[in-house]
Amino acid sequence: KAGVTQTPRYLIKTRGQQVTLSCSPISGHRSVSWYQQTPGQGLQFLFEYFSETQRNKGNFPGRFSGRQFSNSRSEMNVSTLELGDSALYLCASSPGLAGGGEQYFGPGTRLTVT
Amino acid sequence: QQQVKQSPQSLIVQKGGIPIINCAYENTAFDYFPWYQQFPGKGPALLIAIRPDVSEKKEGRFTISFNKSAKQFSLHIMDSQPGDSATYFCAVGNAGGTSYGKLTFGQGTILTVHP
Repeated sequence: KAGVTQTPRYLIKTRGQQVTLSCSPISGHRSVSWYQQTPGQGLQFLFEYFSETQRNKGNFPGRFSGRQFSNSRSEMNVSTLELGDSALYLCASSPGLAGGGEQYFGPGTRLTVT
Repeated sequence: QQQVKQSPQSLIVQKGGIPIINCAYENTAFDYFPWYQQFPGKGPALLIAIRPDVSEKKEGRFTISFNKSAKQFSLHIMDSQPGDSATYFCAVGNAGGTSYGKLTFGQGTILTVHP
């Protein structure tokens, strides 16, 4: 099975702009979770989608949003970018069924805000 | 509130040594405890995970020890190799229920294995 893919791998944006990141989960997986990784804060949970519905949300401002499509692919959007949004954004794929819990990460999108 | 405390922050061992990384958690509602390995420029890779109904799980050279009463778990790497040099993260989560899909991570341990 192919792994989790994320596009683009690298992005440079200017403060105030918005950005959309994409994630394709492992075939058959219905849950996609998004995380932000920074040197200072580590890995922090953003939100999780299952069957096109946001099931869990972390403690991030409303500028961070996401969605999931019927084929389980997911996108996350960050509006009005701030310098502090520079980070590695990771998505993780999971079967989404109770009794599991394992998450498989993609390579991430490195976002730099200038 | 730091829900997961991981130690040490960094660790240096010689090839063949057995590095041990520890994690402590607070919320007894967690029932899924994975360890991830991350190389520079890559996403975290799931190494091994344990549920609270067992005290130890071994997969290849990696072993998780779990102490439910102490709310602690640890990763042991047997016969460590230079290729094991990476950052290791513990995490806590739920295998079901309303918190499914959310992992809370420790701060990471940078492991260096010298030849």
